[in-house]
Amino acid sequence: NAGVMQNPRHLVRRRGQEARLRCSPMKGHSHVYWYRQLPEEGLKFMVYLQKENIIDESGMPKERFSAEFPKEGPSILRIQQVVRGDSAAYFCASSPHPGGLKFFGPGTRLTVL
Amino acid sequence: QQPVQSPQAVILREGEDAVINCSSSKALYSVHWYRQKHGEAPVFLMILLKGGEQKGHEKISASFNEKKQQSSLYLTASQLSYSGTYFCGTEIGNNQGGKLIFGQGTELSVKP
Repeated sequence: NAGVMQNPRHLVRRRGQEARLRCSPMKGHSHVYWYRQLPEEGLKFMVYLQKENIIDESGMPKERFSAEFPKEGPSILRIQQVVRGDSAAYFCASSPHPGGLKFFGPGTRLTVL
Repeated sequence: QQPVQSPQAVILREGEDAVINCSSSKALYSVHWYRQKHGEAPVFLMILLKGGEQKGHEKISASFNEKKQQSSLYLTASQLSYSGTYFCGTEIGNNQGGKLIFGQGTELSVKP
């Protein structure tokens, strides 16, 4: 049973470009959580999604950031018009149900030049 | 809302013990502990649910005092592989969708 998969593992973008980060949860997991980790800092909650629904986006910046988890395919975190401050590691975690164990993917390290 | 971890950092010699604390200002439903090595993903250690249970995994165990709204992680006879940053993730209610709010982390270094 493959773990949580994220791609790309490393992403370099210039200011103003778009970044698309993908997360494939573990088999049987329909709950996905995105976290951002700035260098030398902790994990900050961004958004919680179930299939086709955004359940909690209280940690998402109001502009430029969006997330989706379609019926088919991976969850996508999209950052439009990236700025240097968006440089961070973005992790997703998945769970079979809301209160269950959450397993993290390897993360996508975004660098904005 | 973010739980507070203490200490922020600790240095141990191999074989020594350590305790990492996680305190919340909100009533907790569950506490999840993770360890993260530099440049890697957080790795799940254990989950403690409301009810004051204590769990253990080899030489790592944890307790959850829901009355005090805190959890502690106990590392005994530390090994070099225990080095990393430890995070507690707290869930403040079972109707919150399982969202975890993490503490700022405790950096643990085990020296030979």
